[in-house]
Order: sequence, then structure tokens, then C-alpha cells
Amino acid sequence: AQSVTQLGSHVSVSEGALVLLRCNYSSSVPPYLFWYVQYPNQGLQLLLKYTTGATLVKGINGFEAEFKKSETSFHLTKPSAHMSDAAEYFCAVSGSNQGGKLIFGQGTELSVKP
Amino acid sequence: ETGVTQTPRHLVMGMTNKKSLKCEQHLGHNAMYWYKQSAKKPLELMFVYNFKEQTENNSVPSRFSPECPNSSHLFLHLHTLQPEDSALYLCASSQFGNSPLHFGNGTRLTVT
Repeated sequence: AQSVTQLGSHVSVSEGALVLLRCNYSSSVPPYLFWYVQYPNQGLQLLLKYTTGATLVKGINGFEAEFKKSETSFHLTKPSAHMSDAAEYFCAVSGSNQGGKLIFGQGTELSVKP
Repeated sequence: ETGVTQTPRHLVMGMTNKKSLKCEQHLGHNAMYWYKQSAKKPLELMFVYNFKEQTENNSVPSRFSPECPNSSHLFLHLHTLQPEDSALYLCASSQFGNSPLHFGNGTRLTVT
């Protein structure tokens, strides 16, 4: 069985500050991990993914995430927040050969203050 | 048209109505999915189709009936819904086998 926990349903940062969105997962098989972003009235857009290989993954819009097996974590970071980063962010997990059966976390709403 | 297109964007229906949601993908993918997004809840996988064959039904009530006539089109037929079925219904597609999902913009459904 797999599950995802996103710590903090709402995170607020100032423009230019570090963004850190936390995600912990549970998986009985080697996980594939994803971060998606959802802007108001839109679907989900893939930010980045980890499958195998390098544990530090870079995505779009300056975001990156690091897979830490020992901590079962896949936290999302961005060095400097922009106003346009305000959105809801979802962490998701699947196992190998499970197709699109992604298990999503509850989401973290990111607010960026000027 | 590119990506995944869902119609209509908004739908209001009574509990006795019958309506259908449509999804079309222009990405050449072979798998399609329906997800339900309710307020304050994680996204819930409803159905998975792989090469037009249903491979997953996540204990969805029978008032939701999916149809996948080909790898590019996916429908969700709705009848006798309940107010608690009001949600954002998201369609997605992928190459089956853990490639990332590509989502449409969703249909906002309100059941009155």
C-alpha cells in the first residue's frame, strides 16, 4: 500500500524567500514520486518527477526536489519565490508498473506576499 | 488542439438528470483516467483505461458510468447523482507504465 502526507495545508512566504513544501511517502515497493501544481480553475501540471537515478530532481519554473529514501521524503524547494508561484501543490506516489495509479497528498496551498 | 481537452468546463444538473462529461487527448497516449477532486480531500482515482480496456474501477458508485470508445476519447456518463457528487472531475492521459499524467482543466460539476 502507498500513501502520501503533505505537512501543512497552507504555506505563506514573502516574495524572494525560500519555498519549502514538505512531502513524506509510504510505499511497499520502490516509489516513483511526482510534484504537480494546480492554478485556480485549471488542471494539474507536472513540475517534476523522480523514478530512478539521481536523487536531486530539477523541474520547471526553478523548482527542485530531493528523494531521501532514509527519510521517506520528497520535499519541494525553490530558492526565491515569485508572485506567480502562488498555487496549490500536490505530491504523488506510485509504484513500478502501476501505470497512472497515482496516490496524491491532500495538497499544500502556497501564498506569496509582496 | 493540443494536450487534454475536457468539456463542458462547468455543469449544473439536478439529481434526476442524465449528462455526460467528455475528454479528448491529442498526445498519442494509450491510457486515460478519471479523477475526482473534492474540496479538502485528496484527488481520488475513479477509473483507468489502458488501450480502451478498463483496468481499474476504484469502487465507484454505478451512477457513474465510464466509456472509452478509443484511446483518444473518454466519457463519464452521469445519472441520478447526489449533491455530494459535486466536485471537479479531472481527466488525464499517459503512456501506460508510469509515465507522467497529463491533465485536462476539469469539469466543475454541481448537483442541485
